[in-house]
Amino acid sequence: GENVEQHPSTLSVQEGDSAVIKCTYSDSASNYFPWYKQELGKRPQLIIDIRSNVGEKKDQRIAVTLNKTAKHFSLHITETQPEDSAVYFCAASPFSGGYQKVTFGTGTKLQVIP
Amino acid sequence: DVKVTQSSRYLVKRTGEKVFLECVQDMDHENMFWYRQDPGLGLRLIYFSYDVKMKEKGDIPEGYSVSREKKERFSLILESASTNQTSMYLCASSFRGNSGANVLTFGAGSRLTVL
Repeated sequence: GENVEQHPSTLSVQEGDSAVIKCTYSDSASNYFPWYKQELGKRPQLIIDIRSNVGEKKDQRIAVTLNKTAKHFSLHITETQPEDSAVYFCAASPFSGGYQKVTFGTGTKLQVIP
Repeated sequence: DVKVTQSSRYLVKRTGEKVFLECVQDMDHENMFWYRQDPGLGLRLIYFSYDVKMKEKGDIPEGYSVSREKKERFSLILESASTNQTSMYLCASSFRGNSGANVLTFGAGSRLTVL
């Protein structure tokens, strides 16, 4: 089955700096890579995703990059703000006619210091 | 708004008890999932279902079973609760489309403590 590794487990940055979280996956059949943000005491919510036919995707201050050859993908947050403080999870999912198992990484706790 | 509702936010049970965790979604999603969340271990998939009465084992199914008799409801069952099943349990659902994007909507979670 799929195995997703995520690093670092904790990350502290000064407000305004950039943050990068990296993930690797093992199953070459995976073709969908979402990122979820979980604020303290709340449920995880999708913030951005990327499919295997795309190398990079941006949405305002966040971007994801995907290297299919190396089987790794990354989340980049620029100009970090205190409200970016949360736990971030990467995930990988193979798609096969709608039958999809989503495997998550172990999470990164991001702290943005004002 | 898609709503995924978990009936119990907090439960305390004794070792050996049978525990039912209920999850209901109101958006006609085909896929439903049960994850457990533990510090440092992320979200681990217990079971998932892609249709009524269909179920598939996830990565950590031991000690759990599931039931999906109706499309909107997915139940997680602990036949004989043990202390190592103390955890936060998250239910999620998603639409089974052909686009390849499986966007999960999560419930608020059920925190189970087994004494």
